[in-house]
Amino acid sequence: DQQVKQNSPSLSVQEGRISILNCDYTNSMFDYFLWYKKYPAEGPTFLISISSIKDKNEDGRFTVFLNKSAKHLSLHIVPSQPGDSAVYFCAATLMKSGSRLTFGEGTQLTVNP
Amino acid sequence: EPEVTQTPSHQVTQMGQEVILHCVPISNHLYFYWYRQILGQKVEFLVSFYNNEISEKSEIFDDQFSVERPDGSNFTLKIRSTKLEDSAMYFCASSYFLVGAYNEQFFGPGTRLTVL
Repeated sequence: DQQVKQNSPSLSVQEGRISILNCDYTNSMFDYFLWYKKYPAEGPTFLISISSIKDKNEDGRFTVFLNKSAKHLSLHIVPSQPGDSAVYFCAATLMKSGSRLTFGEGTQLTVNP
Repeated sequence: EPEVTQTPSHQVTQMGQEVILHCVPISNHLYFYWYRQILGQKVEFLVSFYNNEISEKSEIFDDQFSVERPDGSNFTLKIRSTKLEDSAMYFCASSYFLVGAYNEQFFGPGTRLTVL
């Protein structure tokens, strides 16, 4: 199942700098996209989402950008903090209740002090 | 803050045995889900459940799997005859229900199932 793909298994950045995590999808039926964060021994935690009718959504230090024509989304974290170190999953779904999430492989972000 | 809970945190079983994984979704949520993540692989959808019946299931969710809401608070996943390849982290999730909107899914901490 390659419908959602995160090509970078890992990313390392310095504290205070920007972290950019990328995600591509192939299914044009998807109309809602989410980023989840996961710490070891915990379940995924919702971080931020974006509907396909928007190209940007911002929440504090986190911004998600959506490029529908390229079927690409990205998560920007600025400034990055050591506590942001976690696995970040991109997920896509249909914008209706109960719809399944289709996840990417995840990117391990390490923020170095 | 309300949260999804799962028990046990780790289950070890012999191949061919039945296992039941337990979840307590957030109390006012109406949709319930099971996902799994085999080590080194993606988180995969198994099944969703609404109004006491399966809403959607994936191709992974074959006759070996079943789900049940035995009472007003628990949501269980049963694997009838476990195989080695069922070894994975199993996540339960729940969400509210608003017509015409996406409702965020809240995940539990997972149950690690090891089949020997």
